[in-house]
Amino acid sequence: DTAVSQTPKYLVTQMGNDKSIKCEQNLGHDTMYWYKQDSKKFLKIMFSYNNKELIINETVPNRFSPKSPDKAHLNLHINSLELGDSAVYFCASSQDEKRGELFFGEGSRLTVL
Amino acid sequence: GNSVTQMEGPVTLSEEAFLTINCTYTATGYPSLFWYVQYPGEGLQLLLKATKADDKGSNKGFEATYRKETTSFHLEKGSVQVSDSAVYFCALSGWSSASKIIFGSGTRLSIRP
Repeated sequence: DTAVSQTPKYLVTQMGNDKSIKCEQNLGHDTMYWYKQDSKKFLKIMFSYNNKELIINETVPNRFSPKSPDKAHLNLHINSLELGDSAVYFCASSQDEKRGELFFGEGSRLTVL
Repeated sequence: GNSVTQMEGPVTLSEEAFLTINCTYTATGYPSLFWYVQYPGEGLQLLLKATKADDKGSNKGFEATYRKETTSFHLEKGSVQVSDSAVYFCALSGWSSASKIIFGSGTRLSIRP
């Protein structure tokens, strides 16, 4: 049973479209994250939620909107997609008191044409 | 602010060679330090960690020692295998509850049979 699962795994879409990536964790963790990994493997945090409350919001265009309906889910919605949004997006979770031990999903590769 | 610097890759070694991937950090207080590994097509997974000075983290034959005097956390393995080919990330978690996890830029390791 996958601990952190995200869907879809691959997403190919046109510029200007809106898309969503879903993430679910069954570890009982309080904190969830979205990371963006570029083609050079550089990993950058985008958002972090603790118990459905936004706690980290990096300098990310407001076209990106996270939504956490409950502490086991953190979805990422992207409006008006641009070429530069092409990347692999990773969802992760952690227990609040052990922030450094992240559990990652397998990633969602987004390609914007 | 906190930061992590790790050696640039790619690193290419022959099977059974000795591996060192350097990692140094800048942080206030007493951070926790981590190495994560990303195998091809997968998300990151925790490889080892150390939470205080002089601690040694170890797993799967890999080791790293938390050196406060040199602000380093170098990853070592005595005899690498082809299956160790992956991207390795050094990471830091600050001591404050408001800290976020900082990742290094990743080092790609390729092992030749």
